[in-house]
Amino acid sequence: DTGVSQDPRHKITKRGQNVTFRCDPISEHNRLYWYRQTLGQGPEFLTYFQNEAQLEKSRLLSDRFSAERPKGSFSTLEIQRTEQGDSAMYLCASRPGTTQETQYFGPGTRLLVL
Amino acid sequence: GIQVEQSPPDLILQEGANSTLRCNFSDSVNNLQWFHQNPWGQLINLFYIPSGTKQNGRLSATTVATERYSLLYISSSQTTDSGVYFCAGRHGSSNTGKLIFGQGTTLQVKP
Repeated sequence: DTGVSQDPRHKITKRGQNVTFRCDPISEHNRLYWYRQTLGQGPEFLTYFQNEAQLEKSRLLSDRFSAERPKGSFSTLEIQRTEQGDSAMYLCASRPGTTQETQYFGPGTRLLVL
Repeated sequence: GIQVEQSPPDLILQEGANSTLRCNFSDSVNNLQWFHQNPWGQLINLFYIPSGTKQNGRLSATTVATERYSLLYISSSQTTDSGVYFCAGRHGSSNTGKLIFGQGTTLQVKP
């Protein structure tokens, strides 16, 4: 299967710890998005990459959050000094360039901060 | 204000019934998409429908862009249709294609 994959699928951590999530987009999709979804809400945009360039960041992305896409393929999202409010589902999506608007989502990483 | 608004928030159906889900969106949102989120959290693309009508099996969708709404029709519902349905649109002022999601409609289909 060549869909979007994310790792890990679940993460439980203690407040104050750092966590890192990985997203592997569909091959040849040069556009990659991260979203966050809290319970009972729709996903909210966090950040966007076109190839390796991070071109947009939401105000939701505090300075404890950092995302990279070093070679324009997989991406990582790191949260430093986690807080209980960071508990959420973190979703990654990708799409091919230009005219194709449809985004394809991965299965998500569910984070619980104790 | 709210840019993408869905109704109803919750819906319970008997298997075999039909339903209509609605999505209203502001003029800063376009290029509507519909997704189904299954109980495991996976978002599945249903339709990319900036305007007009599309059908895929028991599902169809219509977007009237000039009136800023979209409808998702589910016919002969099955228990596997249960989950949360989201509509999302492209934020018009962004050239990155980021999506703005509604709050979702939670559908439960009972056998």
